[in-house]
Amino acid sequence: GAVVSQHPSRVICKSGTSVKIECRSLDFQATTMFWYRQFPKQSLMLMATSNEGSKATYEQGVEKDKFLINHASLTLSTLTVTSAHPEDSSFYICSAITSGRAAYEQYFGPGTRLTVT
Amino acid sequence: QKEVEQNSGPLSVPEGAIASLNCTYSDRGSQSFFWYRQYSGKSPELIMFIYSNGDKEDGRFTAQLNKASQYVSLLIRDSQPSDSATYLCAVLNTGGFKTIFGAGTRLFVKA
Repeated sequence: GAVVSQHPSRVICKSGTSVKIECRSLDFQATTMFWYRQFPKQSLMLMATSNEGSKATYEQGVEKDKFLINHASLTLSTLTVTSAHPEDSSFYICSAITSGRAAYEQYFGPGTRLTVT
Repeated sequence: QKEVEQNSGPLSVPEGAIASLNCTYSDRGSQSFFWYRQYSGKSPELIMFIYSNGDKEDGRFTAQLNKASQYVSLLIRDSQPSDSATYLCAVLNTGGFKTIFGAGTRLFVKA
């Protein structure tokens, strides 16, 4: 089956610093990647949708200048949390689909646990 | 009103029993519905998807959909302790390109 990896799996950073999370599709070309955030005991909330080679589409309420998304290739999308604050501490999960597939055929990465101190 | 609503639980059932998980959604134009299982600290994994009204069975799992009532459910037969997890109901929005997740129902299967 299709494999999506994320790196790092866990990261702790100090308030005010920036953190980059990578999402890679290992054995297929991901034309679209989704970034989700999940707070404890809450639902996955879609943050943004990124298509290879174009700007990401952010969901309402998500600050695009704070959460920078780059989908530079068909196998890699990155999420950079800029000037992170404790309230950004969360579980960040990416998913990927390939061209011509519906959103339900999304393959999830293992997630990245971000803790901002 | 939340777009996808689930009872947060926890739902506790004895081993071997049937676990019944329920979900309602608000977007009447939705056509595709999914159940994911999520273990603590892990990302979701797809268990089943259903498009048509009625039942769909896959092994110990049965998904049920009633579009008129905007209701979808998941039955787990012969529940096992390894089924203990959070079950997320998800709905593909009318546009067909965004998945909306419920907050999940925590299931505990007691040995």
